[in-house]
Amino acid sequence: AQRVTQPEKLLSVFKGAPVELKCNYSYSGSPELFWYVQYSRQRLQLLLRHISRESIKGFTADLNKGETSFHLKKPFAQEEDSAMYYCALKETSGSRLTFGEGTQLTVNP
Amino acid sequence: AAGVIQSPRHLIKEKRETATLKCYPIPRHDTVYWYQQGPGQDPQFLISFYEKMQSDKGSIPDRFSAQQFSDYHSELNMSSLELGDSALYFCASSLVGIREPETQYFGPGTRLLVL
Repeated sequence: AQRVTQPEKLLSVFKGAPVELKCNYSYSGSPELFWYVQYSRQRLQLLLRHISRESIKGFTADLNKGETSFHLKKPFAQEEDSAMYYCALKETSGSRLTFGEGTQLTVNP
Repeated sequence: AAGVIQSPRHLIKEKRETATLKCYPIPRHDTVYWYQQGPGQDPQFLISFYEKMQSDKGSIPDRFSAQQFSDYHSELNMSSLELGDSALYFCASSLVGIREPETQYFGPGTRLLVL
């Protein structure tokens, strides 16, 4: 069965510092990977999807099939990046999302 | 742009009562998903519908049922509520198409508290 692991429940950095939120997955096929963000008291919002290879709000994520990872990176963190981040996997044969446990990012001034 | 709408936003019920959660997808979206997020947990997939037919089923208890109506809105019916059903219930919608990767857009959630 597919599984998504985010090893860090909490991550705290200072403003302007680089940040990396780790995500590892296990899935026998070719998955689609996503990063969702949940700001305080707001809904889950799509941040990135690996298929698009885009940069949103300065965040990037590269799918590394060899390491089965999809880490989220930003070179210079901002206070407004403080939120809960979820890595999610979608199987090629279905539509359901399997989420990781989430990482609460806090960017300190 | 219109987003996914869920109602009610908050619901308080007692054990053994029933609850109905509603989800209104983004216009023209044909697929609806339900997720349950317990306190401090990640969202868990419950069930999904495509074009009014059940398309996938996850860890949804037998006490729960859901359907998608002709206007594409969906309802999650929960009976014989238990304390452990207290959670945030998310609905998401997507458009299954061939041009763009399918992306799920989430509603604000319904927070259910069972006393």
